[in-house]
Amino acid sequence: AQSVTQLDSQVPVFEEAPVELRCNYSSSVSVYLFWYVQYPNQGLQLLLKYLSGSTLVESINGFEAEFNKSQTSFHLRKPSVHISDTAEYFCAVSASSPVRGGGSEKLVFGKGTKLTVNP
Amino acid sequence: DTEVTQTPKHLVMGMTNKKSLKCEQHMGHRAMYWYKQKAKKPPELMFVYSYEKLSINESVPSRFSPECPNSSLLNLHLHALQPEDSALYLCASSSTGLGTWRRSYNEQFFGPGTRLTVL
Repeated sequence: AQSVTQLDSQVPVFEEAPVELRCNYSSSVSVYLFWYVQYPNQGLQLLLKYLSGSTLVESINGFEAEFNKSQTSFHLRKPSVHISDTAEYFCAVSASSPVRGGGSEKLVFGKGTKLTVNP
Repeated sequence: DTEVTQTPKHLVMGMTNKKSLKCEQHMGHRAMYWYKQKAKKPPELMFVYSYEKLSINESVPSRFSPECPNSSLLNLHLHALQPEDSALYLCASSSTGLGTWRRSYNEQFFGPGTRLTVL
């Protein structure tokens, strides 16, 4: 079974400051890793994902995350945040076995980190 | 069209009512999901449909009854709910890799959710 730990439930920062949201996972098999963002009163949007290849992945709005297998981490970073980045951020993990026909994937979410960007 | 739509946006119901939540996608996805999200908590998986067949039921009480009438639609029928069932109900969809042995992940696209209040 997989599990995800987000170490910080709340992270307040000032606008234009750097931020790091921490995520650690536990799994006995290879995993896929994701960061989702949820703005107030909205559904979840995929921010970025690690499936394979380069361990550093980037989003179109300046976020990046690095997959570190030895530390079982997938921390999210942004060098300079905006007020519009205020949201809840969820780290998630999926592990699927090779299955003929593919199929649906089960996501396990962390408890979330509330990022608040203050002016 | 890369959107998952959900209706209604808000729903208030009594414990004796019968209501339904609807989810629709036109991305050709063959896997659809229902999640329940309580305030300040991560989404919890309820059901997964793959090729219109129920593939995962996470021990959800029978007062929640899912239905997948076709590949684009997913319903969640509600009956005799309890106040503790009040939550945001999220629908998601993903493609599937039919006929392949290769591991693949198919990104889940989330709808905006239905905010349910049970009185």
